[in-house]
Amino acid sequence: EAQVTQNPRYLITVTGKKLTVTCSQNMNHEYMSWYRQDPGLGLRQIYYSMNVEVTDKGDVPEGYKVSRKEKRNFPLILESPSPNQTSLYFCASSPGVARNIQYFGAGTRLSVL
Amino acid sequence: DAKTTQPPSMDCAEGRAANLPCNHSTISGNEYVYWYRQIHSQGPQYIIHGLKNNETNEMASLIITEDRKSSTLILPHATLRDTAVYYCIVRVLSPISNFGNEKLTFGTGTRLTIIP
Repeated sequence: EAQVTQNPRYLITVTGKKLTVTCSQNMNHEYMSWYRQDPGLGLRQIYYSMNVEVTDKGDVPEGYKVSRKEKRNFPLILESPSPNQTSLYFCASSPGVARNIQYFGAGTRLSVL
Repeated sequence: DAKTTQPPSMDCAEGRAANLPCNHSTISGNEYVYWYRQIHSQGPQYIIHGLKNNETNEMASLIITEDRKSSTLILPHATLRDTAVYYCIVRVLSPISNFGNEKLTFGTGTRLTIIP
């Protein structure tokens, strides 16, 4: 089944403790992206990747890192999480020529205490 | 991107057709209409898109008016699992450049509630 898989689905952590949210897609998509969703603010893009080893900042990249060493994986790294990064996170992927059609993971709900 | 306007909420009886309208009066000739939905706290889900002809897939039908200033998403036999927020967006089909970013931004959408 074609899908985008995020892990973990839920995470509670403390300020400053490094964490990684994994994202994997099995559709051989070139384009991948991370979003966060907060009440009243909608979806906001954190980082995106056009292909392996090609990543760039979205609208709200501060406090996050990403890597794209393989086509299928696009992990989101929080080196030193803070409470303002408490949010619902979504990973998405898209084929290279139809990037307005994006396939989303189920989401990761992160709470930073 | 052209702006879209959707009603904030709608109800529909289970088993009936749900018709969700979207106005996009400033749409350009090369812009497509896309529909997504988001079931509570789940990832947004692509539904359908179209340019000017009516489109149908296994999930829904999309009816675009001849002047392309509005469209209607039709869920032919709504079920309780169709309760979600539905978003209509207007975008060019693909980025001008192969190196373009295509972040998705949704408006407030229509909260569709399917009534048993």
